[in-house]
Amino acid sequence: DQQVKQNSPSLSVQEGRISILNCDYTNSMFDYFLWYKKYPAEGPTFLISISSIKDKNEDGRFTVFLNKSAKHLSLHIVPSQPGDSAVYFCAAKITGGTSYGKLTFGQGTILTVHP
Amino acid sequence: ETGVTQTPRHLVMGMTNKKSLKCEQHLGHNAMYWYKQSAKKPLELMFVYNFKEQTENNSVPSRFSPECPNSSHLFLHLHTLQPEDSALYLCASSQDLSAGIFNYGYTFGSGTRLTVV
Repeated sequence: DQQVKQNSPSLSVQEGRISILNCDYTNSMFDYFLWYKKYPAEGPTFLISISSIKDKNEDGRFTVFLNKSAKHLSLHIVPSQPGDSAVYFCAAKITGGTSYGKLTFGQGTILTVHP
Repeated sequence: ETGVTQTPRHLVMGMTNKKSLKCEQHLGHNAMYWYKQSAKKPLELMFVYNFKEQTENNSVPSRFSPECPNSSHLFLHLHTLQPEDSALYLCASSQDLSAGIFNYGYTFGSGTRLTVV
């Protein structure tokens, strides 16, 4: 049972436009969410996170929105740049109990930003 | 360089071979993880070590054997693998397993691309 899902395997956008990457989760116990970015031949790197006590977190061109009732989060990149082309992973964790520290990942979305 | 170093970067091995993957971090982290990334699948957690003690084995077959001699080093010993074990194996570390909201997650290595022939 996949608890974190990224239903779009790929996304293609034009430079300067907005990129919206989506993520859905099924486990209502998740209370902290992260986005990672991965270039080929490199490991994932942390991008931005959000706690379940918030519905929005912004860091420069990157904004993450969380809709707890819909169990949905999204990553907005504005404006998109060719260097943003990478695989984006959504991840979730439970910050208490015996699952602490454990990140559950989605399958990733390949973002391609065209010049 | 992220602070987590994995060697080798690429490995091709036969099904009867024995090999080991190495992960090293000098970030002062106390928790280390092995993840497997197969094509079009989520990163799958394999093992978790906290202060050198294994805290999680995510139903991984015994042909994968982890070893954590100290908080800075993590190994994954491989023997009698199958072609379906071909994947990218990622090591990660974090300060510890504590669950504070300011824990930004893991620092990943670049991975070992494993091909089993």
